[in-house]
Amino acid sequence: AQSVTQLGSHVSVSEGALVLLRCNYSSSVPPYLFWYVQYPNQGLQLLLKYTTGATLVKGINGFEAEFKKSETSFHLTKPSAHMSDAAEYFCAVSGGNQFYFGTGTSLTVIP
Amino acid sequence: DAGVIQSPRHEVTEMGQEVTLRCKPISGHDYLFWYRQTMMRGLELLIYFNNNVPIDDSGMPEDRFSAKMPNASFSTLKIQPSEPRDSAVYFCASSLDPRRQFFGPGTRLTVL
Repeated sequence: AQSVTQLGSHVSVSEGALVLLRCNYSSSVPPYLFWYVQYPNQGLQLLLKYTTGATLVKGINGFEAEFKKSETSFHLTKPSAHMSDAAEYFCAVSGGNQFYFGTGTSLTVIP
Repeated sequence: DAGVIQSPRHEVTEMGQEVTLRCKPISGHDYLFWYRQTMMRGLELLIYFNNNVPIDDSGMPEDRFSAKMPNASFSTLKIQPSEPRDSAVYFCASSLDPRRQFFGPGTRLTVL
């Protein structure tokens, strides 16, 4: 079985500060891991994904995430937050034929 | 490719009315998924199809919800009768590989 836990339903950062959104997963099979972003009044957009190979994955808009098997984590980071990063972020794990989503983290960027 | 198409984008209805949400998957994709997103529960998988056949509907909340996929290019999610607690954003996604799903823009449903 698979599951995802996102720590912190709301995260606030100052513009230019580091963004860190936490995601831990559990999976009985080698996981595929994903981060999605949802901007206000828009649908889901894939930010980045880990399948196999390099554990540090780079995505769009300067985001990256590192798969750490020993910690069962897939935290999302961005060195410098921009106002346009304000959105809802979802971590997801896939196994078998299904996706399992976290409950989401709402990111606020303070000017 | 136009991507996954969902209609309508917004739906406002009154309690007790029937609501039908529509989805056109990406051509050639043989998996289709329906999700519901609420503030309280985040994203939930309702049902998914493979080759037009429902595979897992364990996420469908009640008998008021039903989903069909009459052909490879069209699926519907129906709520009858609708209730205010059904208000949510409903996403459709399609894929060749269920691990790599492509999401539609969603339908925002408001039940008054």
